[in-house]
Amino acid sequence: DAKTTQPPSMDCAEGRAANLPCNHSTISGNEYVYWYRQIHSQGPQYIIHGLKNNETNEMASLIITEDRKSSTLILPHATLRDTAVYYCIVRTLNNNAGNMLTFGGGTRLMVKP
Amino acid sequence: DAGITQSPRHKVTETGTPVTLRCHQTENHRYMYWYRQDPGHGLRLIHYSYGVKDTDKGEVSDGYSVSRSKTEDFLLTLESATSSQTSVYFCAISQGTSGANVLTFGAGSRLTVL
Repeated sequence: DAKTTQPPSMDCAEGRAANLPCNHSTISGNEYVYWYRQIHSQGPQYIIHGLKNNETNEMASLIITEDRKSSTLILPHATLRDTAVYYCIVRTLNNNAGNMLTFGGGTRLMVKP
Repeated sequence: DAGITQSPRHKVTETGTPVTLRCHQTENHRYMYWYRQDPGHGLRLIHYSYGVKDTDKGEVSDGYSVSRSKTEDFLLTLESATSSQTSVYFCAISQGTSGANVLTFGAGSRLTVL
């Protein structure tokens, strides 16, 4: 799986947009970008994923650059409950391993009042 | 978490004793995974299963064994627990291999080996 680079920590004011960057410069053409988050002491939670196009769901938006070497997760109106560690993961399909993911260090997002 | 249950949620044991953690799913998903999470290491894959009786090793499999005799249950066994296996263990499930089949994680099992 391609390696990802994320800033270790970020702050965001409550109600503002949180923009979390991820660099994956060695990504291959068939590798997806996934975002998960982990709120303290809980299991990781899926947020969104994409291959080439930008994606949006009820939780967030994912912006992938045209060369696919980087992406940004956007939480449009951050709340205190969005304080968590956010993981950007790039993986290749593997029939035996299914959606096995390799987690890096992630970005610790602190949403402040 | 909906559809996936881990037990026990907390366990304290002594070095050298056997420990079994259970992951139970009601989603009929084919793939199941065991991860451990430690400070400074993030989540690391221990073992995974791609069907009944089909399992394979992950990144940190030494000292662990798994079994999957039914679709819904994936057991993680520490034959002789050591202090280095003190960790939080997460089970995850996935339906298939498509990029759209994401992982759903359990709530975690906190194991302390004294």
